[in-house]
Amino acid sequence: EVKLVESGGGLVQPGRSLKLSCAASGFSFNDYWMGWVRQAPGKGLEWIGEINQDSSTINYTPSLKDKFTISRDNAQNTLYLQMSKLGSEDTAIYYCARVPGRYWGQGVMVTVSS
Amino acid sequence: DIVMTQGALPNPVPSGESASITCQSSKSLLHSNGKTYLNWYLQRPGQSPQLLIYWMSTRASGVSDRFSGSGSGTDFTLKISSVEAEDVGVYYCQQFLEYPFTFGSGTKLEIK
Repeated sequence: EVKLVESGGGLVQPGRSLKLSCAASGFSFNDYWMGWVRQAPGKGLEWIGEINQDSSTINYTPSLKDKFTISRDNAQNTLYLQMSKLGSEDTAIYYCARVPGRYWGQGVMVTVSS
Repeated sequence: DIVMTQGALPNPVPSGESASITCQSSKSLLHSNGKTYLNWYLQRPGQSPQLLIYWMSTRASGVSDRFSGSGSGTDFTLKISSVEAEDVGVYYCQQFLEYPFTFGSGTKLEIK
């Protein structure tokens, strides 16, 4: 069974950083592109970016490129999202997904507030 | 970026009736390989999105055959025949032809 489990969310102050993790199981992680998607409260889905199998190609939604960094550790079957300079607009549920969308995690909430 | 525009539904839809959700892309999603790079998802309340349709018209495994996708290079339709209570939620189309992958704004389905 394919499972994607996000962790690392929570309450963070404006301007601070946070790193999310996504633990994958049930498939050959290093064979797939992986991505991050977020959803602000009551809003639609926003694709953040994706990373290829060997981390040689990473794409970001342009408006988020300077704030987010996607990485992966194939030995640990884990995907990461490093978020910096967080603002209230980054408050959202963050999902990891196997590109282009067959499998999603349950999501992790990030709340940016003082 | 490719802009995805979704239509609304005349909610609520009576149980057992069919419902069609439209999606339009600002650029053709038809690749030279003959495939159309469009996904449809359902996000039920409080849940993660679930892939329903990929390549515009291929049902994902385990998805009811009440769901079908069709369209051209820029205009797409997700049809739900005989809607049921479990179909309630928000439906999203997504293009994965070009980065960044983009979603439509979502179409809410309510059942009467």
